[in-house]
Amino acid sequence: DGGITQSPKYLFRKEGQNVTLSCEQNLNHDAMYWYRQDPGQGLRLIYYSQIVNDFQKGDIAEGYSVSREKKESFPLTVTSAQKNPTAFYLCASSARGSGRALEIRGDTQYFGPGTRLTVL
Amino acid sequence: KQEVTQIPAALSVPEGENLVLNCSFTDSAIYNLQWFRQDPGKGLTSLLLIQSSQREQTSGRLNASLDKSSGRSTLYIAASQPGDSATYLCAPRGSARQLTFGSGTQLTVLP
Repeated sequence: DGGITQSPKYLFRKEGQNVTLSCEQNLNHDAMYWYRQDPGQGLRLIYYSQIVNDFQKGDIAEGYSVSREKKESFPLTVTSAQKNPTAFYLCASSARGSGRALEIRGDTQYFGPGTRLTVL
Repeated sequence: KQEVTQIPAALSVPEGENLVLNCSFTDSAIYNLQWFRQDPGKGLTSLLLIQSSQREQTSGRLNASLDKSSGRSTLYIAASQPGDSATYLCAPRGSARQLTFGSGTQLTVLP
């Protein structure tokens, strides 16, 4: 059963703690993404990775870190430097992140079910 | 920087009505545009992807149009059903090859 999984579904963090959100996909996708969603707003890109061992900052990367050691995994760490971390976090993947094939074919992003992080 | 606006922010219609959701974007240099559906507290489900060279894309009761030059896309839902109730998000993919999301239209279809 192919798809994207995120864990945990709910996460509570005390101020000053780092927490790591898991994202795993078995779709054999090259590209993976992390977004943040605040109430009543659209998604904002935190980090993305087009290939293993490579990742780039999105629009709101401050206070977050990622790694891409395996193709199927793209964990996100919310550090204590993130001043307002309470939000809904969504992970996504797509077959290819860049290249001419993307321009010609277009490339659908598939999303996981999300992790809701609350700072206590 | 790409900015995406979706109007209306919320919409309530009786079951069976046809409806149109609007999406406008400021940078017309896009590769494609995706429409997503999001149920409360859930992830996003891709509905349609329309490439920059296309004018329309259809899937079942859904039809998306794209006018790249004017920076507009519409999502047409025919014969709406209560199960269509959700938030609908549009997201053009631009020259930076990343998606930029609108804040969505929250649709309620009343039985």
